[in-house]
Amino acid sequence: EDKVVQSPLSLVVHEGDTVTLNCSYEVTNFRSLLWYKQEKKAPTFLFMLTSSGIEKKSGRLSSILDKKELFSILNITATQTGDSAVYLCAVSSNSGYALNFGKGTSLLVTP
Amino acid sequence: SAVISQKPSRDICQRGTSLTIQCQVDSQVTMMFWYRQQPGQSLTLIATANQGSEATYESGFVIDKFPISRPNLTFSTLTVSNMSPEDSSIYLCSVEDGALIEQYFGPGTRLTVT
Repeated sequence: EDKVVQSPLSLVVHEGDTVTLNCSYEVTNFRSLLWYKQEKKAPTFLFMLTSSGIEKKSGRLSSILDKKELFSILNITATQTGDSAVYLCAVSSNSGYALNFGKGTSLLVTP
Repeated sequence: SAVISQKPSRDICQRGTSLTIQCQVDSQVTMMFWYRQQPGQSLTLIATANQGSEATYESGFVIDKFPISRPNLTFSTLTVSNMSPEDSSIYLCSVEDGALIEQYFGPGTRLTVT
């Protein structure tokens, strides 16, 4: 059975800190790994990763995938209070394409 | 990326009643999915709804409880039938951008069953 495990489950940091969120997975016939930010209801798309070792970057956020070790990390540098949210990791397989989500990491950035 | 809207945004319903949630996309998409997020939990797939075929339900979800329609490539509905308080959740539709294989979510429907 496919599995996605995120760590830590929650995290409290001060503004300006750098955080690293982890996502490990087991999936048959891997297709992609996606990161989302969820603040209220709808998850907002951040990154999609399909290839190992290629960093995706958007402003202060970046992510990388290791398909050999079956994990991904999401880095946020110079955190701001607006980064406070639940960050979700999900994987899809080539059999169905739907997303299998981890439990999420709840990040709180304090002023 | 596709722009997705959902109606209603939220609703409070009495047990035993049914609610139909609509999902509208601003472009034609083949793959559409319905997810549920119970309080304090992550997202769980209910079903995959592809146009021109019957919806495919995940284990634990049945058509009688969650009937889905997909009449065209831009629209789908999910009905939550004979509701109980355990159905109180956020219901989300998502679509896959065919070229990029990225998935985007609608704004969600927050359902409370009393």
